[in-house]
Amino acid sequence: QKEVEQNSGPLSVPEGAIASLNCTYSDRGSQSFFWYRQYSGKSPELIMFIYSNGDKEDGRFTAQLNKASQYVSLLIRDSQPSDSATYLCAVNGAGGYQKVTFGTGTKLQVIP
Amino acid sequence: EAQVTQNPRYLITVTGKKLTVTCSQNMNHEYMSWYRQDPGLGLRQIYYSMNVEVTDKGDVPEGYKVSRKEKRNFPLILESPSPNQTSLYFCASSLWSSGTGELFFGEGSRLTVL
Repeated sequence: QKEVEQNSGPLSVPEGAIASLNCTYSDRGSQSFFWYRQYSGKSPELIMFIYSNGDKEDGRFTAQLNKASQYVSLLIRDSQPSDSATYLCAVNGAGGYQKVTFGTGTKLQVIP
Repeated sequence: EAQVTQNPRYLITVTGKKLTVTCSQNMNHEYMSWYRQDPGLGLRQIYYSMNVEVTDKGDVPEGYKVSRKEKRNFPLILESPSPNQTSLYFCASSLWSSGTGELFFGEGSRLTVL
């Protein structure tokens, strides 16, 4: 079992819809959870981080964490074509606080 | 401008010819790390460093070396490159003491080993 798992997609949503991206992780000791966005040919950039169970909102983005289910998700409301990118889930604390483990990413396509 | 700078951005080399990919950050970050990104495998950590002279292996350290003699620099060394090291490499840094753990990435170095 991979330490951090994501559906590779592509996930296609129409413009204005809600995009829901999901991630599961295997290490119950994981402490911090991150969502990075990576445009094609570019480097990853942080969208959100979350440490505690529940929801965390930032603009159109909401991160949700459920440690009991070892599940973290990212919701993007009012999706825009500019949101089309690969979204990487990252976890640290899995195997050591300094180690950051990434999922393989979910490709999101927002259709105008 | 706060940034992580990698060089070279593109490199084609041959098997066995030693090469170094440099990484430098100007944000006074303690933590630096190297990743490789391959299709279907995502970002995999090669080595990381918590501070000067403190380095540790990530998930895929075989065939790589690193050093951290200065806080700002974290070069990745391939002593004898092989074709399976053809990949896109990212250097990243973080102000770990900030508590967010946010990684700032360089622009990437695309390496081809023939």
